[in-house]
Amino acid sequence: SQQGEEDPQALSIQEGENATMNCSYKTSINNLQWYRQNSGRGLVHLILIRSNEREKHSGRLRVTLDTSKKSSSLLITASRAADTASYFCATAQWGNQFYFGTGTSLTVIP
Amino acid sequence: GAGVSQSPSNKVTEKGKDVELRCDPISGHTALYWYRQSLGQGLEFLIYFQGNSAPDKSGLPSDRFSAERTGGSVSTLTIQRTQQEDSAVYLCASSSPRGLSGINGNTIYFGEGSWLTVV
Repeated sequence: SQQGEEDPQALSIQEGENATMNCSYKTSINNLQWYRQNSGRGLVHLILIRSNEREKHSGRLRVTLDTSKKSSSLLITASRAADTASYFCATAQWGNQFYFGTGTSLTVIP
Repeated sequence: GAGVSQSPSNKVTEKGKDVELRCDPISGHTALYWYRQSLGQGLEFLIYFQGNSAPDKSGLPSDRFSAERTGGSVSTLTIQRTQQEDSAVYLCASSSPRGLSGINGNTIYFGEGSWLTVV
């Protein structure tokens, strides 16, 4: 399977702490994206990092990509209760196909 | 439309019946995806349409599942002789190869999903 794997499967932290989740994948990619899902419904795009980039920031989000290890991490700083959601990484191969990981369920305790 | 639209949002059907799920992608998006997500699980790729190319059907779990995309726009996912294990949220998404992030750097936009319950 080309599907990615997120780690950990579940994460529970206190509000204000940082949350780090990881994604590993199996094939070479064009880019990697992180998505957020609330309430088991549609996913919302958070951030995209291309295969030739190593780090990217967007607000409280920081994404790193290590193509040699086929892994990425998503860091959410100063977490808030509203960050509680499931987070998925998606890898895009050259043919514009996307494969999603299994997700990390994040709970931020107020 | 402004976003990806899916219908029905919820469907309860009896085991053995056929169901059709509809997806109306964002206007102009040439790529369309179907994913399935069981309760508390990750997204399972089902099928991918890109323009006029032959669809990538490699994720369809059995021959009871089929999908078509008419006129390069609306797509219908059909599940024949539904089984209880088909119960899941079926998510549709679309993207444009020439999105804001550039060729092969586009993001995909999801609908709110169709929740299927087979009883």
